[in-house]
Amino acid sequence: ETGVTQSPTHLIKTRGQQVTLRCSSQSGHNTVSWYQQALGQGPQFIFQYYREEENGRGNFPPRFSGLQFPNYSSELNVNALELDDSALYLCASSLGTQQETQYFGPGTRLLVL
Amino acid sequence: AQSVTQLGSHVSVSEGALVLLRCNYSSSVPPYLFWYVQYPNQGLQLLLKYTSAATLVKGINGFEAEFKKSETSFHLTKPSAHMRDAAEYFCAVSGPKGKLTFGTGTRLQVTL
Repeated sequence: ETGVTQSPTHLIKTRGQQVTLRCSSQSGHNTVSWYQQALGQGPQFIFQYYREEENGRGNFPPRFSGLQFPNYSSELNVNALELDDSALYLCASSLGTQQETQYFGPGTRLLVL
Repeated sequence: AQSVTQLGSHVSVSEGALVLLRCNYSSSVPPYLFWYVQYPNQGLQLLLKYTSAATLVKGINGFEAEFKKSETSFHLTKPSAHMRDAAEYFCAVSGPKGKLTFGTGTRLQVTL
């Protein structure tokens, strides 16, 4: 059974640029959630995708957007990067959208200069 | 709305000593509660999960947690700390559509 994978592991961008982060869900999981973890903080919920549709969103601006593909993998896109977007971005997959356990990937560390 | 408060951003124990990491929650519905561990430069690993089946939940690596509704607490314990337990620990509560709300984390240091 393959766990959650994310790419790239590290990324450096400059302010104003756009970035795409990728996530492959655990085998058999149809739901992907994205979280942002700033340094020294707990993860903050960005949004969730279920069967290719957005299924809930946290308090993040529209420049944070996502996609889920038929194989349940997912992308997180961030436009017009700001310095405060520097963080560890975590993807989690689960089987369903309720209180099922979410399994996390290793994360992508984004640095915005 | 759900929220979680973790008391103590840093906890230091000696190897072999009891580990106690505190978590208090707020939830308008019966909560699902989780403890995750994060080792340096890694993602989150599930330690244990409370789903109302039993108030004492046993997890991996010798950790367990007890759900106390009257105290709105879900503290994490381990009888004997090991050096490899040094990490960041996060308590989380599950809300609508499975959204996890995390605490700010507790960094556990284990000394010889």
